[in-house]
Order: sequence, then C-alpha cells, then structure tokens
Amino acid sequence: QSALTQPASVSGSPGQSITISCTGTSNDVGGYNYVSWYQHHPNKAPKLMIYDVTKRPSGVSNRFSGSKSGSTASLTISGLQAEDEADYYCDSYTSSDTWVFGGGTKLTVL
Amino acid sequence: QVQLQESGPGLVKPSETLSLTCSVSGYSISSGYRWGWIRQPPGKGLEWLGTVYHSGSTYYNPSLKSRATISLDTSKNQFSLTLTSVTAADTAVYYCTRRAPSSSLRDYWGQGTLVTVSS
Repeated sequence: QSALTQPASVSGSPGQSITISCTGTSNDVGGYNYVSWYQHHPNKAPKLMIYDVTKRPSGVSNRFSGSKSGSTASLTISGLQAEDEADYYCDSYTSSDTWVFGGGTKLTVL
Repeated sequence: QVQLQESGPGLVKPSETLSLTCSVSGYSISSGYRWGWIRQPPGKGLEWLGTVYHSGSTYYNPSLKSRATISLDTSKNQFSLTLTSVTAADTAVYYCTRRAPSSSLRDYWGQGTLVTVSS
C-alpha cells in the first residue's frame, strides 16, 4: 500500500490559518470517512486532533478542523499559535482492512 | 483513566526476533476496541504495523511480509508484537495504541519505546 500524500512542510504566522492536505485514492481516503489527523511533537506520543474526517476529540481546540473532498482530506488550523508548531500526520482506513499514514507535514510557525 | 505502556528489549540483533508487550490499565482489552502497533523509524514518518481485535482477529501491514504477529493475553490485560528476521530497517520507536470500532478514533497511545537493531 502506498503512503498518503502530504506536503513536506507548511508555514504561517501567528493568528493566520493554514491547511494541510492529505491525498489518497478511492481505496482509502476517497472510499471511507475514516480519516484521522495527529499532532506529533518530538519525543512525545502523537496526539489525535481529528477523527472520522471532521470529529474533534474532547479537549482539542476548536481551532482545529477537518474536511474531505473526493480523495483529499484536509486539516485546517485557524488562529495559528506557537505551540501548534509540530509534525502532522493523516491516516486512513483502506479497502484491504489496513490503515495507511501520510508521510507527514512539518508545520513551522514563523 | 486508560493507560498503555510498552515494554521489551531496547536492542535486538539482526536476523533475531523483536518482542514487545503493551500493558493496558483502566480498560479490559477483551471488552472491545482494537489494539495495535505503530512505529516511527528515526527521521521518518509513522507506519501502521497491525491490529488485533478483542475477538482475536488480526490485520497486518502487507509490507511486513508475514514477519509480524500480534496477539492478546487477556489474563494479563496485555497484547504483544513479535517481528521476526529483523534488520536495521526495523529500528524505530514502537507505539501501542487503542482504536474504537467502526471509527478512526485512535484515542490512547503508549509513550513509545525505542528498539534498535544492531549487532
């Protein structure tokens, strides 16, 4: 299975909004509403930010939102803050009863 | 509060077998949910390795080419990962996780444990 496609890096200034894309196929992102987004700081466990494409776990800021169009899912972070600087990964269920991650996106807050 | 904790050797020799255990507290692994393993090689991204259901059904990343086995030990409330014939490419931080059924809600993760494959 091929990894989902994410941009290697994105950046934004405090207060701005950014969007990270996650592109797959009809066999994963496009076929199911089982896409999650994780925030990963070095030497810590990944933190779930969005699940089932648009749902936010309890305790996650409403500055984080998810969406999907066709085979591309997106994570939008509004009101960018310094602590949002991290690596972000998407993952999706696949038609093979497996899961596949994106390659990861490094978010830099300028 | 649900907690997951990985344990196992931090150093494994090439061609040998890597064995990790995930101890779960605050929830019975036989009550539902899906229990899995994810790893991150140094400088690389996350990779899903496999999942075991509370029923014992298992699913694996095909890239592991049948080297992986995930199993439950309900008496100890633990689940484990074994990976045979390891190489340096298996050097990674290994995480155990819990995922809700019929959802991508992977809500609990262990802290991660670094396994180095080296002679």
